[in-house]
Amino acid sequence: DTEVTQTPKHLVMGMTNKKSLKCEQHMGHRAMYWYKQKAKKPPELMFVYSYEKLSINESVPSRFSPECPNSSLLNLHLHALQPEDSALYLCASSQVHTAANIQYFGAGTRLSVL
Amino acid sequence: GENVEQHPSTLSVQEGDSAVIKCTYSDSASNYFPWYKQELGKRPQLIIDIRSNVGEKKDQRIAVTLNKTAKHFSLHITETQPEDSAVYFCAAILSNAGGTSYGKLTFGQGTILTVHP
Repeated sequence: DTEVTQTPKHLVMGMTNKKSLKCEQHMGHRAMYWYKQKAKKPPELMFVYSYEKLSINESVPSRFSPECPNSSLLNLHLHALQPEDSALYLCASSQVHTAANIQYFGAGTRLSVL
Repeated sequence: GENVEQHPSTLSVQEGDSAVIKCTYSDSASNYFPWYKQELGKRPQLIIDIRSNVGEKKDQRIAVTLNKTAKHFSLHITETQPEDSAVYFCAAILSNAGGTSYGKLTFGQGTILTVHP
């Protein structure tokens, strides 16, 4: 099973709302990633968690707050977002973060900020 | 950091023809080069990958070649079918001096491939 599951599939929120995106994998992977993808553009890395610890933060604004409660779950907490944050948010996982290995992507959450 | 350039940005072929997409990378320490296919509204899916110790890899109608000296790699699709229509992204992973990888994928800008029946 190479499934990475993301919920919700779609999310509409106002600029004052607080919401969370969820990602789950049961492949025993110890590295998990958040990417942001705008239309017709490649995914851009936001965060990397390795063994439940934040390993990389690509200078993402603090209105995005990642959390890794355990090795299977990854959350992205959203607060006071801007309309330009509207995008497809992709989660990915890989066996580990310290070797070149396959990243499996979830189907994404399509976020619209009004 | 790594920079990956991908060409062409759009590619239109007739069913049965071959399609070739080329990428160049900037950092000679990069050691892993995956290709992802993303259909409209769907997730990126790995279709083939190659490591820096290999020059070519083939999987049925898909092949990837790597030229480390020139720092470029290419995706070749033969006998294209309409279901091959999608956006294709090349990527590179940067390795540090110790030979381990940060696991940070740097993507090319994508190629929109259209296969006409």
